[in-house]
Amino acid sequence: DVVLTQTPPTLSATIGQSVSISCRSSQSLLDSDGDTYLNWLLQRPGQSPQLLIYSVSNLESGVPNRFSGSGSETDFTLKISGVEAEDLGVYYCMQATHAPFTFGSGTKLEIK
Amino acid sequence: EVQLVESGGGLVQPGRSLKLSCVASGFTFNNYWMTWIRQAPGKGLEWVASITNTGGSTYYPDSVKGRFTISRDNAKSTLYLQMNSLRSEDTATYYCTSMDAWGQGASVTVSS
Repeated sequence: DVVLTQTPPTLSATIGQSVSISCRSSQSLLDSDGDTYLNWLLQRPGQSPQLLIYSVSNLESGVPNRFSGSGSETDFTLKISGVEAEDLGVYYCMQATHAPFTFGSGTKLEIK
Repeated sequence: EVQLVESGGGLVQPGRSLKLSCVASGFTFNNYWMTWIRQAPGKGLEWVASITNTGGSTYYPDSVKGRFTISRDNAKSTLYLQMNSLRSEDTATYYCTSMDAWGQGASVTVSS
């Protein structure tokens, strides 16, 4: 199974600060169809997860453009350019290239 | 408005069965792969099952293969998860998702 290693496990940021979360895969997530199925999700406290970024760098509809994703093969990054109070919660990377689909262990973002 | 509404959760004894339903609205259900993802109390996300838009193919991790069955009725815009031989480790909130939309979750507790 593909192991996704997310760092850091916790992140504390002030409003307006830019932060990055890393997600490293135990094998390449480049699919034979040419796409890379690496997604980023946010789960706010007490809520269901929501999709932020799909296929590495595509912003889901309705998601603020302060969120961006980058990377390739085994190394991926989620960046928040200017944290806002509503961004607190747990961020997960998820891969859907190889079955079984797997998730990172999560990064908890706290607001100072 | 896109909505996914799960039902059918509850308390069940080990070894017994339970069937979850998820009614979709606000989007063309039969265009989308659908997935069940679960979250044990205080833990991260775990993929449980996926089904293609036609229902022709299904996918499971080893942890539930042979015990859980995902299915869909496109005429009713409804997704199902039949869970048999339930174990204590199946205790979780189960989310129905198209990845870009998520339900509110159905709580399943397996305990004697």
